[in-house]
This record gives sequence, structure tokens and C-alpha cells, in this order.
Amino acid sequence: KAGVTQTPRYLIKTRGQQVTLSCSPISGHRSVSWYQQTPGQGLQFLFEYFSETQRNKGNFPGRFSGRQFSNSRSEMNVSTLELGDSALYLCASSLSGAPKSGEKLFFGSGTQLSVL
Amino acid sequence: TQLLEQSPQFLSIQEGENLTVYCNSSSVFSSLQWYRQEPGEGPVLLVTVVTGGEVKKLKRLTFQFGDARKDSSLHITAAQPGDTGLYLCAGVWQGAQKLVFGQGTRLTINP
Repeated sequence: KAGVTQTPRYLIKTRGQQVTLSCSPISGHRSVSWYQQTPGQGLQFLFEYFSETQRNKGNFPGRFSGRQFSNSRSEMNVSTLELGDSALYLCASSLSGAPKSGEKLFFGSGTQLSVL
Repeated sequence: TQLLEQSPQFLSIQEGENLTVYCNSSSVFSSLQWYRQEPGEGPVLLVTVVTGGEVKKLKRLTFQFGDARKDSSLHITAAQPGDTGLYLCAGVWQGAQKLVFGQGTRLTINP
């Protein structure tokens, strides 16, 4: 069974540009969550999608958006990039997105975004 | 804002030593997970604890969930260089729907 696949692996952008990151979950998983990881803030929850609907959202500005397609693949978009957006963006998939019950999250290797 | 605090933030010890990492909150968790992350990779789930007082063992790793479900610990016996990595605890508080991560403990085991 293939794991969670994130593309691209590395990305370099300049301030003001926009970027789209892609995540393919494990086959059969319907929930996809996105996290931002920085040395100073750790892993911060961005949003979670289930069956093409955003179900939960973290405390990030509206420049961060996402969507999920009918095949559960998800994309995350960041517009008007700022230097502080430089981070490792991680995607995680699970069967139903039920963290309360301790459902296992499977993470991809992430996209390392550098904003210059 | 509910916070999940991990300590210590950094730990560097010699191979063969024992260590304990802590994860604390002022609120009650519905469930708590421990992950390990290696450089260039995403976190990998080690264990999930749900019941207060629960103890789980994974080879040389022992995970404990506090009786009041507000804290957890990870104990490693006879640490090996392969244990090096970033250890993250993540919890879901009662009434919440999302998983919140601690800052992590960066562990280095020196040969």
C-alpha cells in the first residue's frame, strides 16, 4: 500500500507569489489534514478535509486555503507569500479523521517551502 | 488557548542511558499520541493512549498516560543511536475535534 505522497518535495518562492502544494492520501483514506512545521512554533494545524468538505480549521490567515477532490487528493494554496511562511508543510491522512478516538494519522514527508 | 507542553525541549545523552520525556496539559485529553520524526520525514505514530493510567510498551519504549488524562510520559531504557529523533506528543482535548501537537523533544543519543 503506497503511503501519503506530497509534491513537490522542495519549493523556493519569493515574497508576494502564490504556491500550491499537493497531497495524495493513502488509498481508502477520506480525511486529509494539513500542518505547518517551523522550528519556533512546532506543528500547527492548518485545516482538515473530509469528503471534499473543510471540517476543521486552525488559526491561520485567509491567505491559506485548501480543497479536496472526489478522489480524496488534496491541495493547499498560499497566496501573497510572506517570509514567515517558510516552513515544512505536512499532510496527513486517516480513514475518517476521528482524532478523538485516537485514529492513526499517516504523514507524508512534507514540502519544504522557502520564501525569499 | 489550550497548551500542550513537552519537556525537555532538547536532550543529549550517551548510548545505554535511560531517559524520560514529559507531555503536560492543564486540560483533560480524550486521547493522546506519541510520534517520532526523523530529519526530512514526516512524523510516524508510535502509540495511542486513551484510558487514564494506561501503560503501553514498545520494545525499550514505555508510554504512560496519567490517571487524570492530563499528562503523559515516554521512557526509553538503554537508549541507542537509532532512537535519535524528534519526539512529539499530540492530544485531542475533551470536546475538541482536532489534534494538537506539543513543541517536541529533540533527542540525540551519542555512541
